[in-house]
Amino acid sequence: EVQLVESGGGLVQPGRSLRLSCAASGFTFDDYAMHWVRQEPGKGLQWVSGISWDSSDINYAVSVRGRFTISRDNAKNSLYLQMDSLRLEDTAFYYCAKGIYGSGHTDFDYWGQGTLVTVSS
Amino acid sequence: QSALTQPASVSGSPGQSITISCTGTTSTIGNYNLVSWYQQHPGRAPKLVIYEGNKRPSGVSGRFSGSKSGNTASLTISGLQEEDESDYYCCSYGGFSTPYVFGTGTKVTVL
Repeated sequence: EVQLVESGGGLVQPGRSLRLSCAASGFTFDDYAMHWVRQEPGKGLQWVSGISWDSSDINYAVSVRGRFTISRDNAKNSLYLQMDSLRLEDTAFYYCAKGIYGSGHTDFDYWGQGTLVTVSS
Repeated sequence: QSALTQPASVSGSPGQSITISCTGTTSTIGNYNLVSWYQQHPGRAPKLVIYEGNKRPSGVSGRFSGSKSGNTASLTISGLQEEDESDYYCCSYGGFSTPYVFGTGTKVTVL
């Protein structure tokens, strides 16, 4: 059974940093691309960032480019999102999502339950 | 890249069919068959129900189907059931600068 478990969310002040983690199990982690998707409470979904199976292809949404860094450790079956210079508008639930393929355009076939990041002074 | 446009709400009676539209541009939906659809119940994570336009993941009911015409993709739910009451989001390739663009979301109500 595929499981994705996010951690690392919490309350943080504007301008500070936070690192999210996603622990994966139930599938061969290093065969698939992985993504972060966020959702403001009560609002719609927004893709944040994605990374190919071998970390050779990385993309970011315009709104987080230069502030967020996605990475993965295939030996630890883990995905990460380093979030720096956080803004009020980064407040959201952050979901870890598994790609259907290892690279290229990969829709998201499994999702974690999400971790809430609240940016507030 | 702007969000794809979906109707805020769609409703139907049990057993009926409903269709949710998702309108983009030639830069998103029009030139690619890379639309996916996600079902999200309140307080739950999204679930993939259609990918690459019209493909169903294993375990998803055959009552869900996807299609596309021009710049608009559609999700059809046939034989509507109470369990289908949920929010639905489309997602498409958004171009080189933003590979994934989601729709605004549609709340489906089973009357």
